[in-house]
Amino acid sequence: DQQVKQNSPSLSVQEGRISILNCDYTNSMFDYFLWYKKYPAEGPTFLISISSIKDKNEDGRFTVFLNKSAKHLSLHIVPSQPGDSAVYFCAARVTGTASKLTFGTGTRLQVTL
Amino acid sequence: NAGVTQTPKFRILKIGQSMTLQCTQDMNHNYMYWYRQDPGMGLKLIYYSVGAGITDKGEVPNGYNVSRSTTEDFPLRLELAAPSQTSVYFCASSYTLEQETQYFGPGTRLLVL
Repeated sequence: DQQVKQNSPSLSVQEGRISILNCDYTNSMFDYFLWYKKYPAEGPTFLISISSIKDKNEDGRFTVFLNKSAKHLSLHIVPSQPGDSAVYFCAARVTGTASKLTFGTGTRLQVTL
Repeated sequence: NAGVTQTPKFRILKIGQSMTLQCTQDMNHNYMYWYRQDPGMGLKLIYYSVGAGITDKGEVPNGYNVSRSTTEDFPLRLELAAPSQTSVYFCASSYTLEQETQYFGPGTRLLVL
């Protein structure tokens, strides 16, 4: 039972263009969402998050959008840079559950020159 | 400040052997977690701890044991290794229940043959 789904295993984008990574969830109790970035042979690193009381959160080149009615969130990277090439994981949690995170399967982003 | 460190980086085990994966954090975090990541899958929570002496099961605890005698250390014990435990194991920590960021170690790659 995959409660957090990232249906695109991979995405290729040209440098300077927008990258859009998508994530869907099924558990309506989730109220906090996070994106992690992972390079090969390293642990995931936190990128950006959004609470369910918001529909948008921005941090530099990274923006996360949340559509609660559709149970969908997306990560926008503008402009994309070669250093953004990594695997991106969407994660969700229910507040008050010891910060236990439920992760999606990840999307591998490749930013080409 | 090393953050979260894990040893070993890589290990091959024979079926039925046992081993302990070490995890140490130097950020004085109360919360610590063990995840496993199978190929093409998201991270799944094995066990977590909310403080020294307190541990609880995550989503996939079978075949593993943990202990938390100090704030810094959170070892994961595999008894009677099985091929199904071939995976990459990540340890993570966070300061409080509400802090959004979990800091991950670099991972331990385990192969059970």
